[in-house]
Amino acid sequence: DQQVKQNSPSLSVQEGRISILNCDYTNSMFDYFLWYKKYPAEGPTFLISISSIKDKNEDGRFTVFLNKSAKHLSLHIVPSQPGDSAVYFCAALLQGGSEKLVFGKGTKLTVNP
Amino acid sequence: DAGVIQSPRHEVTEMGQEVTLRCKPISGHNSLFWYRQTMMRGLELLIYFNNNVPIDDSGMPEDRFSAKMPNASFSTLKIQPSEPRDSAVYFCASREGTYQETQYFGPGTRLLVL
Repeated sequence: DQQVKQNSPSLSVQEGRISILNCDYTNSMFDYFLWYKKYPAEGPTFLISISSIKDKNEDGRFTVFLNKSAKHLSLHIVPSQPGDSAVYFCAALLQGGSEKLVFGKGTKLTVNP
Repeated sequence: DAGVIQSPRHEVTEMGQEVTLRCKPISGHNSLFWYRQTMMRGLELLIYFNNNVPIDDSGMPEDRFSAKMPNASFSTLKIQPSEPRDSAVYFCASREGTYQETQYFGPGTRLLVL
């Protein structure tokens, strides 16, 4: 059973446009959400996070939105750049200080010049 | 800082052989995590340590897998005997502080068991 789902394996956008990556989760006990970015032959690197008490967190070109009632979060990248081309993983942590990051399977973003 | 260091970066072995993956966490980090990435299951946590002590190994697939952290600067993940289904990319990550702090990942070890 996959508790964190990224239903789009890939996404292609034009440079300068908005990229929207989506993530759904099934466990209502998740209270902290993260996005990681991964380039080929490298480990994932942390991008941005959001606590369940918020509905939006912004960091430069990256914004994460959380809709708890829908159990859905999204990552917006504006404007998209070719260097943003990577695999993006959504991840979640359970309430109570669980150390166990639960990852989605990732979405491969390609930003075309 | 050099970041999380993993070795080897690539390993090809034959079924039945012992495989040892190594990890050096970032200095000062008190938690260490081992993950496995496969096409079928994605990124999944195998085991994690806090202050060198194994806390949760529920993700370790079988008794063939074992992990140790003899000191704050070194950890190993061992597979004995290895099987073709163990082929995957294995990541080590480390973290300073509590659970919402960022985990920093190493570059991974790509394992192929023939």
